[in-house]
Amino acid sequence: GQQLNQSPQSMFIQEGEDVSMNCTSSSIFNTWLWYKQDPGEGPVLLIALYKAGELTSNGRLTAQFGITRKDSFLNISASIPSDVGIYFCASPETSGSRLTFGEGTQLTVNP
Amino acid sequence: DGGITQSPKYLFRKEGQNVTLSCEQNLNHDAMYWYRQDPGQGLRLIYYSQIVNDFQKGDIAEGYSVSREKKESFPLTVTSAQKNPTAFYLCASSPGTGGFEQYFGPGTRLTVT
Repeated sequence: GQQLNQSPQSMFIQEGEDVSMNCTSSSIFNTWLWYKQDPGEGPVLLIALYKAGELTSNGRLTAQFGITRKDSFLNISASIPSDVGIYFCASPETSGSRLTFGEGTQLTVNP
Repeated sequence: DGGITQSPKYLFRKEGQNVTLSCEQNLNHDAMYWYRQDPGQGLRLIYYSQIVNDFQKGDIAEGYSVSREKKESFPLTVTSAQKNPTAFYLCASSPGTGGFEQYFGPGTRLTVT
Protein backbone atom coordinates (compact mmCIF):
# COMPACT_ATOMS: atom_id res chain seq x y z
CA GLY A 1 0.00 0.00 0.00
CA GLN A 2 0.89 3.64 -0.04
CA GLN A 3 3.31 4.85 2.61
CA LEU A 4 4.25 8.29 3.85
CA ASN A 5 7.69 8.74 5.41
CA GLN A 6 7.98 11.63 7.81
CA SER A 7 11.24 13.10 9.03
CA PRO A 8 12.60 13.81 11.42
CA GLN A 9 10.90 11.45 13.89
CA SER A 10 11.53 13.91 16.71
CA MET A 11 12.95 17.39 17.19
CA PHE A 12 14.16 19.23 20.27
CA ILE A 13 14.50 22.97 19.73
CA GLN A 14 14.80 26.22 21.65
CA GLU A 15 11.95 28.69 21.77
CA GLY A 16 12.29 31.19 18.94
CA GLU A 17 13.93 28.78 16.49
CA ASP A 18 12.43 27.90 13.13
CA VAL A 19 11.38 24.30 12.42
CA SER A 20 11.26 22.31 9.20
CA MET A 21 9.82 18.85 8.67
CA ASN A 22 8.86 16.88 5.61
CA CYS A 23 6.84 14.01 4.31
CA THR A 24 7.83 11.89 1.32
CA SER A 25 6.39 9.02 -0.65
CA SER A 26 7.19 6.86 -3.65
CA SER A 27 3.63 7.47 -4.88
CA ILE A 28 2.12 10.58 -6.40
CA PHE A 29 -0.57 12.34 -4.38
CA ASN A 30 -3.11 15.00 -5.30
CA THR A 31 -3.73 16.31 -1.80
CA TRP A 32 -1.52 16.83 1.25
CA LEU A 33 -2.87 17.46 4.73
CA TRP A 34 -0.96 18.53 7.83
CA TYR A 35 -2.31 17.88 11.32
CA LYS A 36 -1.11 18.76 14.81
CA GLN A 37 -1.90 16.64 17.86
CA ASP A 38 -1.56 18.18 21.30
CA PRO A 39 -0.75 15.73 24.10
CA GLY A 40 -3.85 13.74 25.04
CA GLU A 41 -6.04 15.33 22.37
CA GLY A 42 -7.27 14.55 18.88
CA PRO A 43 -5.34 15.82 15.81
CA VAL A 44 -6.37 19.19 14.41
CA LEU A 45 -6.14 20.01 10.72
CA LEU A 46 -3.61 22.82 10.19
CA ILE A 47 -3.22 23.16 6.43
CA ALA A 48 -4.56 21.45 3.31
CA LEU A 49 -2.72 21.55 -0.04
CA TYR A 50 -4.38 20.67 -3.33
CA LYS A 51 -2.00 21.67 -6.12
CA ALA A 52 1.63 20.85 -6.94
CA GLY A 53 3.86 23.77 -6.02
CA GLU A 54 1.21 25.33 -3.79
CA LEU A 55 2.51 27.29 -0.81
CA THR A 56 0.01 27.97 1.98
CA SER A 57 0.41 29.77 5.29
CA ASN A 58 -1.54 29.65 8.53
CA GLY A 59 -0.05 32.14 10.96
CA ARG A 60 3.54 31.08 11.69
CA LEU A 61 3.02 27.83 9.77
CA THR A 62 3.82 27.44 6.09
CA ALA A 63 3.34 24.26 4.08
CA GLN A 64 4.31 23.44 0.52
CA PHE A 65 3.09 20.81 -1.93
CA GLY A 66 6.20 19.48 -3.70
CA ILE A 67 6.51 19.91 -7.45
CA THR A 68 7.02 16.17 -7.95
CA ARG A 69 3.74 15.56 -6.02
CA LYS A 70 5.64 12.99 -3.95
CA ASP A 71 6.49 15.23 -1.02
CA SER A 72 5.35 18.05 1.21
CA PHE A 73 7.06 20.33 3.71
CA LEU A 74 5.91 22.09 6.86
CA ASN A 75 7.78 25.01 8.38
CA ILE A 76 7.12 26.71 11.70
CA SER A 77 8.72 30.08 12.28
CA ALA A 78 9.71 31.54 15.66
CA SER A 79 8.58 28.52 17.67
CA ILE A 80 6.79 28.96 21.00
CA PRO A 81 6.12 26.44 23.79
CA SER A 82 2.55 25.76 22.63
CA ASP A 83 3.94 24.39 19.34
CA VAL A 84 4.78 21.22 21.28
CA GLY A 85 3.00 18.16 19.92
CA ILE A 86 3.02 15.59 17.15
CA TYR A 87 2.74 16.76 13.56
CA PHE A 88 1.26 14.33 11.05
CA CYS A 89 1.11 14.50 7.28
CA ALA A 90 -1.68 12.66 5.49
CA SER A 91 -2.97 12.10 2.00
CA PRO A 92 -6.04 10.39 0.54
CA GLU A 93 -5.56 6.90 -0.86
CA THR A 94 -6.38 6.35 -4.50
CA SER A 95 -9.95 5.33 -3.69
CA GLY A 96 -10.43 8.54 -1.73
CA SER A 97 -12.23 6.66 1.02
CA ARG A 98 -9.43 6.77 3.60
CA LEU A 99 -6.29 8.70 4.47
CA THR A 100 -2.74 7.41 4.67
CA PHE A 101 -0.93 9.00 7.63
CA GLY A 102 2.76 9.47 8.24
CA GLU A 103 4.21 8.24 11.52
CA GLY A 104 4.47 11.78 12.86
CA THR A 105 7.17 14.22 13.97
CA GLN A 106 7.31 14.79 17.73
CA LEU A 107 8.26 18.42 18.44
CA THR A 108 9.59 19.57 21.81
CA VAL A 109 10.21 23.28 22.42
CA ASN A 110 12.42 24.27 25.33
CA PRO A 111 11.61 27.69 26.84
CA ASP B 1 -21.20 24.41 17.89
CA GLY B 2 -20.47 21.90 15.12
CA GLY B 3 -18.03 19.15 15.93
CA ILE B 4 -17.30 15.62 16.98
CA THR B 5 -17.81 14.38 20.50
CA GLN B 6 -16.39 11.28 22.11
CA SER B 7 -17.37 10.11 25.53
CA PRO B 8 -16.13 9.41 28.05
CA LYS B 9 -12.61 10.90 27.98
CA TYR B 10 -11.28 8.13 30.24
CA LEU B 11 -12.69 4.62 30.50
CA PHE B 12 -11.62 1.74 32.74
CA ARG B 13 -12.68 -1.86 32.29
CA LYS B 14 -11.80 -5.28 33.57
CA GLU B 15 -10.32 -7.83 31.22
CA GLY B 16 -12.96 -10.02 29.59
CA GLN B 17 -15.61 -7.30 29.39
CA ASN B 18 -16.87 -5.75 26.17
CA VAL B 19 -16.92 -1.95 26.14
CA THR B 20 -18.54 0.49 23.71
CA LEU B 21 -17.00 3.86 22.87
CA SER B 22 -19.29 6.64 21.72
CA CYS B 23 -18.72 8.94 18.73
CA GLU B 24 -21.24 11.57 17.60
CA GLN B 25 -20.90 14.28 14.95
CA ASN B 26 -23.18 17.16 13.99
CA LEU B 27 -21.20 18.22 10.91
CA ASN B 28 -23.56 16.38 8.54
CA HIS B 29 -20.59 14.35 7.34
CA ASP B 30 -21.18 11.12 5.44
CA ALA B 31 -17.98 9.31 6.40
CA MET B 32 -16.76 8.34 9.87
CA TYR B 33 -13.62 6.59 11.09
CA TRP B 34 -12.11 4.91 14.15
CA TYR B 35 -8.38 4.95 14.85
CA ARG B 36 -6.24 3.45 17.55
CA GLN B 37 -3.11 5.20 18.84
CA ASP B 38 -0.55 3.58 21.15
CA PRO B 39 1.98 5.64 23.13
CA GLY B 40 4.51 7.31 20.85
CA GLN B 41 2.90 5.76 17.80
CA GLY B 42 0.96 6.93 14.78
CA LEU B 43 -2.69 6.37 13.88
CA ARG B 44 -3.96 2.94 12.86
CA LEU B 45 -7.35 2.58 11.17
CA ILE B 46 -9.77 0.16 12.82
CA TYR B 47 -13.04 0.61 10.89
CA TYR B 48 -14.60 3.20 8.64
CA SER B 49 -18.01 3.94 7.23
CA GLN B 50 -18.75 5.97 4.13
CA ILE B 51 -22.52 5.85 4.43
CA VAL B 52 -25.24 4.82 6.85
CA ASN B 53 -25.70 1.05 7.25
CA ASP B 54 -22.36 0.30 5.60
CA PHE B 55 -18.83 -0.02 7.00
CA GLN B 56 -15.46 -1.52 6.08
CA LYS B 57 -12.61 -3.06 8.03
CA GLY B 58 -9.46 -1.03 8.37
CA ASP B 59 -5.99 -2.35 9.06
CA ILE B 60 -6.54 -3.66 12.61
CA ALA B 61 -10.24 -4.67 12.81
CA GLU B 62 -9.77 -7.93 14.73
CA GLY B 63 -11.38 -7.78 18.16
CA TYR B 64 -13.49 -4.72 17.32
CA SER B 65 -17.00 -4.19 15.97
CA VAL B 66 -18.97 -1.15 14.80
CA SER B 67 -22.43 -0.12 13.67
CA ARG B 68 -23.68 2.82 11.62
CA GLU B 69 -27.43 3.02 12.10
CA LYS B 70 -27.54 6.82 12.07
CA LYS B 71 -25.53 9.34 10.06
CA GLU B 72 -24.36 11.17 13.15
CA SER B 73 -23.29 8.16 15.23
CA PHE B 74 -20.58 5.52 14.83
CA PRO B 75 -20.05 3.56 18.07
CA LEU B 76 -17.06 1.23 18.47
CA THR B 77 -17.22 -1.93 20.60
CA VAL B 78 -13.96 -3.30 21.94
CA THR B 79 -14.64 -6.96 22.51
CA SER B 80 -12.96 -9.39 24.87
CA ALA B 81 -11.30 -10.92 21.81
CA GLN B 82 -9.06 -7.84 21.44
CA LYS B 83 -5.82 -9.03 22.98
CA ASN B 84 -4.35 -5.65 23.89
CA PRO B 85 -7.22 -3.16 24.18
CA THR B 86 -5.53 -0.50 26.31
CA ALA B 87 -4.97 2.46 23.97
CA PHE B 88 -6.12 5.93 22.95
CA TYR B 89 -9.09 5.73 20.55
CA LEU B 90 -9.85 8.51 18.09
CA CYS B 91 -12.99 9.03 16.04
CA ALA B 92 -13.01 11.20 12.92
CA SER B 93 -15.45 12.27 10.24
CA SER B 94 -15.17 13.69 6.75
CA PRO B 95 -17.65 15.07 4.20
CA GLY B 96 -17.16 11.98 2.04
CA THR B 97 -17.31 12.30 -1.74
CA GLY B 98 -15.46 15.48 -2.73
CA GLY B 99 -14.08 16.11 0.74
CA PHE B 100 -11.14 14.14 2.07
CA GLU B 101 -10.26 16.20 5.11
CA GLN B 102 -10.92 14.32 8.32
CA TYR B 103 -11.88 16.09 11.54
CA PHE B 104 -11.11 14.38 14.82
CA GLY B 105 -12.83 14.12 18.17
CA PRO B 106 -10.97 14.59 21.47
CA GLY B 107 -10.35 10.86 21.93
CA THR B 108 -11.13 8.25 24.60
CA ARG B 109 -8.35 6.71 26.63
CA LEU B 110 -9.31 3.10 27.44
CA THR B 111 -7.51 1.19 30.16
CA VAL B 112 -8.21 -2.51 30.60
CA THR B 113 -6.77 -4.32 33.61
